[in-house]
Amino acid sequence: GENVEQHPSTLSVQEGDSAVIKCTYSDSASNYFPWYKQELGKRPQLIIDIRSNVGEKKDQRIAVTLNKTAKHFSLHITETQPEDSAVYFCAAPVRPGSQGNLIFGKGTKLSVKP
Amino acid sequence: NAGVTQTPKFQVLKTGQSMTLQCAQDMNHEYMSWYRQDPGMGLRLIHYSVGAGITDQGEVPNGYNVSRSTTEDFPLRLLSAAPSQTSVYFCASSYSIQGWVTEAFFGQGTRLTVV
Repeated sequence: GENVEQHPSTLSVQEGDSAVIKCTYSDSASNYFPWYKQELGKRPQLIIDIRSNVGEKKDQRIAVTLNKTAKHFSLHITETQPEDSAVYFCAAPVRPGSQGNLIFGKGTKLSVKP
Repeated sequence: NAGVTQTPKFQVLKTGQSMTLQCAQDMNHEYMSWYRQDPGMGLRLIHYSVGAGITDQGEVPNGYNVSRSTTEDFPLRLLSAAPSQTSVYFCASSYSIQGWVTEAFFGQGTRLTVV
């Protein structure tokens, strides 16, 4: 089955700086890579996702890049704000044929200092 | 449209007791999953389903059973609760369009304590 590794586990940046979180996956057949944000005491919520037929996707200050050859994908947050402080999780499908059932990385706790 | 509904929100069990965590979705999603979340361990997949009548084991299935008799419901059963099962449990559902999967929606979670 799929295995997802996520780094770093904690990340502290100054407000206005950029933040980058990286994930690797093991199954070359995986074709869907979402990123979730979880605020303290709340459920995870999708912030951006990418499919294997594109290399990059942007949504305002957030972008995700995918390198299928190297089997890694990254989350980029620009112009960070205090409200970006949260735990971020990357994910990939548990196996081909179960693309809607996800395996998650262990998470990155992002702290944005004012 | 309620989304993904989990019950109960909080539960305290004694070691050895059994119970069922309920999960229901009203979005006709084919994919459903159960996760447990422990500090520093992220979201670990317990069991999952790709449709009614089909279930499979995830990363940490021991001590848990599931069934999927309908598209809407995906209950998680703890057979004999142990303190190691103290955790926050999330249920999630998603669907696919033209072969591409879409966003997974999470329930609000169940905080379970086993004493």
